[in-house]
This record gives sequence, C-alpha cells and structure tokens, in this order.
Amino acid sequence: GIQVEQSPPDLILQEGANSTLRCNFSDSVNNLQWFHQNPWGQLINLFYIPSGTKQNGRLSATTVATERYSLLYISSSQTTDSGVYFCAVGRQGGKLIFGQGTELSVKP
Amino acid sequence: NAGVTQTPKFQVLKTGQSMTLQCAQDMNHNSMYWYRQDPGMGLRLIYYSASEGTTDKGEVPNGYNVSRLNKREFSLRLESAAPSQTSVYFCASSDPGGNYGYTFGSGTRLTVV
Repeated sequence: GIQVEQSPPDLILQEGANSTLRCNFSDSVNNLQWFHQNPWGQLINLFYIPSGTKQNGRLSATTVATERYSLLYISSSQTTDSGVYFCAVGRQGGKLIFGQGTELSVKP
Repeated sequence: NAGVTQTPKFQVLKTGQSMTLQCAQDMNHNSMYWYRQDPGMGLRLIYYSASEGTTDKGEVPNGYNVSRLNKREFSLRLESAAPSQTSVYFCASSDPGGNYGYTFGSGTRLTVV
C-alpha cells in the first residue's frame, strides 16, 4: 500500500514565526488532504489539494504530484494553530491513508 | 449546524460486551467512513461506504461490523469488545462528486476494560 511520511514529527514555534510541514508519499495519488486536529481532538479539513497550490488566510499548501510530496505553510503562527497536522492521501474513491502527523506547539 | 454527528462521545465497556456507535451526516454526502485513532499510529480506516447500500473493508476491519442504514446514517458495531479496541473512533463523510474533502465527526472515546 501507499506509505505516507510526515516531517518533522514535532515542532515548537514562537508566536509570529513561520513554518513548513512536509508530506511525502510513495505512489501516485489522486486525492490529498491536510487536516488539523486541535487540542480537543476535533479534526478539521484544511485543504483538498491533489495538485497545485491553494491558500486560505495564513495557511497555504502546495502539492507536486509528479515528485510525490506536499507542503503546508503556516505564516505568522498563533497559539490557536497548535495541535497535530495530518496529511492523508488516496487513490480509489474517497478512502484515505493518513500519515503519523506533525505535532505543532506555538508558544506565546 | 450542518455536519457529522457521532454518539456517544464516551463509552466504557467490559470485555465481551457489544455496542453500536452511531453516525449521521446532513450534507447529502454519498460516502461515509469509520476510522480509529491510536497513539502514535495516526488514523486507520476500519470500514467505508461509497454509497447507500454498499460497504467495504478498510485496513483494520477485524472485530467490527457496519451498517449503512440510509444515505444519512452509518453505524459501527463491536460484537464482542476486546481491550485492543480501546481507541478513539471517528466517523467522516465526503462527496466524491467533485471534491473529496472530508468532514469528521467529533469522535467517540471508547475504553474496553
């Protein structure tokens, strides 16, 4: 099956800093999504981005499908950005395979 | 509010007991999914339903059964709970019509003692 690797596993930032999270996957996919799991456990869909670049406020994501990776950029981080960020990929239908996540902690 | 509703939010079972986790969505999505989340292992797919009347196994289906009751509801049943099924369970839905973006429920924290 497809392998999904996220890096770094943990990240600590000061409020206001920028960061880049990476997701590598082992095979071609037609579905890639980024999720944020907040400290209360809620999973929120950030981006559906099988290819190209999208932006939503301080967050943006880029997927280079031919090179099998995706990047999530967080600019001017805030304490509310803390939590775990998951990358998930899929090929058939809507089924997704999740990476292990990047745990982000933003300090005030 | 539109979204995915899961019940219950918390449950403690004794080994061997059975229970059903309920999930309902009001976004008219065709596809629904059950995942489990364990520490250090991300989320793993248990079962999914591409459309009303169809279900299929995911990565970790053993010990579980599902029912797609109608387009809105997708339930997960543990027939004989085991401590290895202690986990947080998430239901999700998506619409493959154009965008596969998932919407997740708030989760069910299950402990089997």
